[in-house]
Amino acid sequence: DTAVSQTPKYLVTQMGNDKSIKCEQNLGHDTMYWYKQDSKKFLKIMFSYNNKELIINETVPNRFSPKSPDKAHLNLHINSLELGDSAVYFCASSLWAAGRNTEAFFGQGTRLTVV
Amino acid sequence: GDSVTQMEGPVTLSEEAFLTINCTYTATGYPSLFWYVQYPGEGLQLLLKATKADDKGSNKGFEATYRKETTSFHLEKGSVQVSDSAVYFCALSSNDYKLSFGAGTTVTVRA
Repeated sequence: DTAVSQTPKYLVTQMGNDKSIKCEQNLGHDTMYWYKQDSKKFLKIMFSYNNKELIINETVPNRFSPKSPDKAHLNLHINSLELGDSAVYFCASSLWAAGRNTEAFFGQGTRLTVV
Repeated sequence: GDSVTQMEGPVTLSEEAFLTINCTYTATGYPSLFWYVQYPGEGLQLLLKATKADDKGSNKGFEATYRKETTSFHLEKGSVQVSDSAVYFCALSSNDYKLSFGAGTTVTVRA
């Protein structure tokens, strides 16, 4: 029973297309994230949501639009894809308790390749 | 803002060697500290954690102690196996809604 699941696992698309990545967690967490991992394995926070509200938007181009329909889901839509968007995108979730986050659980990642 | 600095890799070891990966942090307040591991083609998995000063996290033979005086959380394992080959990330959670990660250290263990 997967705790954080994201789909698809692989996504190959042409420049200029629009694509979405979906994420769901069944852990009862109230905070969800999107991270981008580049080819050197560096992890960069993109967005953070708490109880469906956007908390962190780390200077991500507005071609990226997250949506959280409920606390268990956080989807990522990307418009007008560019070559530089090629990366692995990770969804994660955690619980906000006592003024900080508990450990985060990560999905398996979506490898996006823009050609 | 919060930040994590970890030892650059790659690190290559022989089986049964001792592994240390250094991690230091900068944070306001009293962060929680974590080590995550990423095996090839997979997502990140929590390896161990510590939530307050002097706590020791341990799992699968790995250990790390939360040292507030040196702002460090170094990862150690006494005898590595080939199956420990992975990328290791040090991370912290402070009073904002994100986990801050170090740059990751790639470890390769040779038989």
